[in-house]
Amino acid sequence: GNSVTQMEGPVTLSEEAFLTINCTYTATGYPSLFWYVQYPGEGLQLLLKATKADDKGSNKGFEATYRKETTSFHLEKGSVQVSDSAVYFCALSDLRGGSEKLVFGKGTKLTVNP
Amino acid sequence: ETGVTQTPRHLVMGMTNKKSLKCEQHLGHNAMYWYKQSAKKPLELMFVYSLEERVENNSVPSRFSPECPNSSHLFLHLHTLQPEDSALYLCASSQDRSSTDTQYFGPGTRLTVL
Repeated sequence: GNSVTQMEGPVTLSEEAFLTINCTYTATGYPSLFWYVQYPGEGLQLLLKATKADDKGSNKGFEATYRKETTSFHLEKGSVQVSDSAVYFCALSDLRGGSEKLVFGKGTKLTVNP
Repeated sequence: ETGVTQTPRHLVMGMTNKKSLKCEQHLGHNAMYWYKQSAKKPLELMFVYSLEERVENNSVPSRFSPECPNSSHLFLHLHTLQPEDSALYLCASSQDRSSTDTQYFGPGTRLTVL
């Protein structure tokens, strides 16, 4: 079935470091891909999304490119801040069987130290 | 108040208790969702409502009973739960049921079953 695999955390970085969180997917058809972020004590928020191959989603300095050839949607940020500390979830849209829903990865916890 | 709100934020209950979780969305959306978030597991979609009609039930035990009296409110009624049901329960809403629609999440109810 459709699934999302993202890198195991936790990830700990210093402020201004480069961030990559890997995400690969397995899907039939052409799903849309998403990154959601969950700050401490809050629900999930959409960070960015891409709806077709080669699309690049971007928001708040984060970027991810929909790579069909490698079935990947890696999240990157050039210079992280302490305020980026959160759990990041990769997800895809599952359109099988007439039932539309999001399939999430397990989440990657990021801690950024000053 | 804006966005998606959930009450209570924390709930401790015994296995013989009956309690309800409440979710309210102030976004004018037509679809609402219940998710279960357990440690080290992907988010699990439990129920989907579209225009107040349940459209998906992902093999959730009958001890969880959803109710959607109108498009702004969603409840999850709980009875005779098990300790393994302890988790963060997240409510979300989206404009429509399309999986490409952005889902807006509430902060969740942290449930502990003793």
